[in-house]
Amino acid sequence: DAMVIQNPRYQVTQFGKPVTLSCSQTLNHNVMYWYQQKSSQAPKLLFHYYDKDFNNEADTPDNFQSRRPNTSFCFLDIRSPGLGDAAMYLCATSRDKTILDTQYFGPGTRLTVL
Amino acid sequence: RKEVEQDPGPFNVPEGATVAFNCTYSNSASQSFFWYRQDCRKEPKLLMSVYSSGNEDGRFTAQLNRASQYISLLIRDSKLSDSATYLCVVDSNSNSGYALNFGKGTSLLVTP
Repeated sequence: DAMVIQNPRYQVTQFGKPVTLSCSQTLNHNVMYWYQQKSSQAPKLLFHYYDKDFNNEADTPDNFQSRRPNTSFCFLDIRSPGLGDAAMYLCATSRDKTILDTQYFGPGTRLTVL
Repeated sequence: RKEVEQDPGPFNVPEGATVAFNCTYSNSASQSFFWYRQDCRKEPKLLMSVYSSGNEDGRFTAQLNRASQYISLLIRDSKLSDSATYLCVVDSNSNSGYALNFGKGTSLLVTP
């Protein structure tokens, strides 16, 4: 059974056209993360939610926003995608914040910017 | 200095060989260490956690050297299915307490 689901798996957008990526989880985990992974690079944490508490990484561009309307869902909004934003976007969850527990990753959304 | 550094490889080894990967990390306050495996164009998946005393899971052995801030992964009797990128992951022990820092990964190709 899928535990962390990302939709769509592939997303094509135009330069400057807003795009939203979706993540849902069936694990009832408190923490949800968004990572950006470019080709041959390490996954880079953009931000995370502990429950409703939003934590932005210092070097995440303002162009990237996130929403978590409930425990199960988390969205990544890219307000004005640039060519440099083409990447795999990975959603992950973990049970709690006090234990750096296993992070479970979704299959990712591969974003292409034309 | 990057927080987590790995030799990117690729490591090309024949089936049945033993191969070792190394990783260094910069934050001496880090407490949690992991090896993740990532197949081409797929998501990372946890391979194993790394404990201070070292730990083994089947053909895989992980070691941690806190003094040298060094982590290793040993794969014995390599299988074709072991071909993947192996990511060294270390907690950032930042104020937020949640973040994991990923290395760029070491690429392994096991050949027949």
